[in-house]
Amino acid sequence: AQTVTQSQPEMSVQEAETVTLSCTYDTSESDYYLFWYKQPPSRQMILVIRQEAYKQQNATENRFSVNFQKAAKSFSLKISDSQLGDAAMYFCASGGAGSYQLTFGKGTKLSVIP
Amino acid sequence: GAVVSQHPSWVICKSGTSVKIECRSLDFQATTMFWYRQFPKQSLMLMATSNEGSKATYEQGVEKDKFLINHASLTLSTLTVTSAHPEDSSFYICSASRILAGVTYNEQFFGPGTRLTVL
Repeated sequence: AQTVTQSQPEMSVQEAETVTLSCTYDTSESDYYLFWYKQPPSRQMILVIRQEAYKQQNATENRFSVNFQKAAKSFSLKISDSQLGDAAMYFCASGGAGSYQLTFGKGTKLSVIP
Repeated sequence: GAVVSQHPSWVICKSGTSVKIECRSLDFQATTMFWYRQFPKQSLMLMATSNEGSKATYEQGVEKDKFLINHASLTLSTLTVTSAHPEDSSFYICSASRILAGVTYNEQFFGPGTRLTVL
């Protein structure tokens, strides 16, 4: 069984500043993946970044990076140089390597202040 | 690549009618497709998992006779909401996992969603 917890229902950040979204998870899987998805007002789910649990190196994608702390079961997302287009709901998700199902957190609504 | 489409993007129907929603993987083959329901300002709730050529696996609490899922090919899955009622009004999202060179990546690609309103 897997659970994903996002403790920040809403966050805001000034344009060009940096913000970190929190996520903790629990899983019985020995091999698993973690994801951050973005859902803008259009409601199209967009993959932001993905982390394989067996990799110690934190994933990065341009302005997006994660802080993956496996022992603490923590997987936070850092957005640098925030842009207006980053405003969206952000969902943290986990999935076992042997299954394609994802478990989603409740989401964090990010607002970007011009 | 890895584009998933849904049709229709929105639909309004009368109570008691049935509505079919299509989910297609446009440029890849999908072993597994998923159907989610999302209420306003809430997270995605998995309804069912469908594999090509086999019966769908429904999550607890989801009525399989109410939400019929057919996954006839590696690029198409359909969700039919039968005898729809106002409480079925919601945003329905499908996703697909990709087969690439015989390896299925643990990543889901999402369709744009379908907004269903039942009057």
